[in-house]
Amino acid sequence: QKEVEQNSGPLSVPEGAIASLNCTYSDRGSQSFFWYRQYSGKSPELIMFIYSNGDKEDGRFTAQLNKASQYVSLLIRDSQPSDSATYLCAVIDGGSQGNLIFGKGTKLSVKP
Amino acid sequence: DAGVIQSPRHEVTEMGQEVTLRCKPISGHDYLFWYRQTMMRGLELLIYFNNNVPIDDSGMPEDRFSAKMPNASFSTLKIQPSEPRDSAVYFCASSLSDSTDTQYFGPGTRLTVL
Repeated sequence: QKEVEQNSGPLSVPEGAIASLNCTYSDRGSQSFFWYRQYSGKSPELIMFIYSNGDKEDGRFTAQLNKASQYVSLLIRDSQPSDSATYLCAVIDGGSQGNLIFGKGTKLSVKP
Repeated sequence: DAGVIQSPRHEVTEMGQEVTLRCKPISGHDYLFWYRQTMMRGLELLIYFNNNVPIDDSGMPEDRFSAKMPNASFSTLKIQPSEPRDSAVYFCASSLSDSTDTQYFGPGTRLTVL
């Protein structure tokens, strides 16, 4: 069973701090990695994707990928209360026709 | 664009009843995905279609679940008979190409089976 593991949280950070969200995956064949944000009672929305080892930055968000360690992370700089949500890590199943496997998500709370 | 449209938004039914969930993907998107989300199991892919053809239904929990996509703008997920353990939020998502492309999720249908 291919798995994507995330700490369920909640992760609580003060406004303006850096929030660090982590994800590990079991399938070494995975090549594509995604971070979705889901506000309470809403649907998931894509915020970042990363395919290559290293860092990818988009505004206040940085995704980091280490395929050797099977580890992907999301950093949120200058965290805002509006960043409070559940963050879902998703990985393409390398052995299938490309299905997304989601982690259960990490709930982030940014305190004013 | 209106985005992915799902109906109904909420459904409460009794065990044993048939439930039909509906989805209209974003126009021009060739892929349509049905997901189920629960606290215990998270977000799980049930089935997905490419150009109206079911590609992978390995996530469909059992024969009580069926999905169809009669045309490019409409899909249904049917549960017959429904059971309390089917209670969850069901999301439909669509994308231009395969899973490597951005998936746009609908608002979801919250299903409660009593």
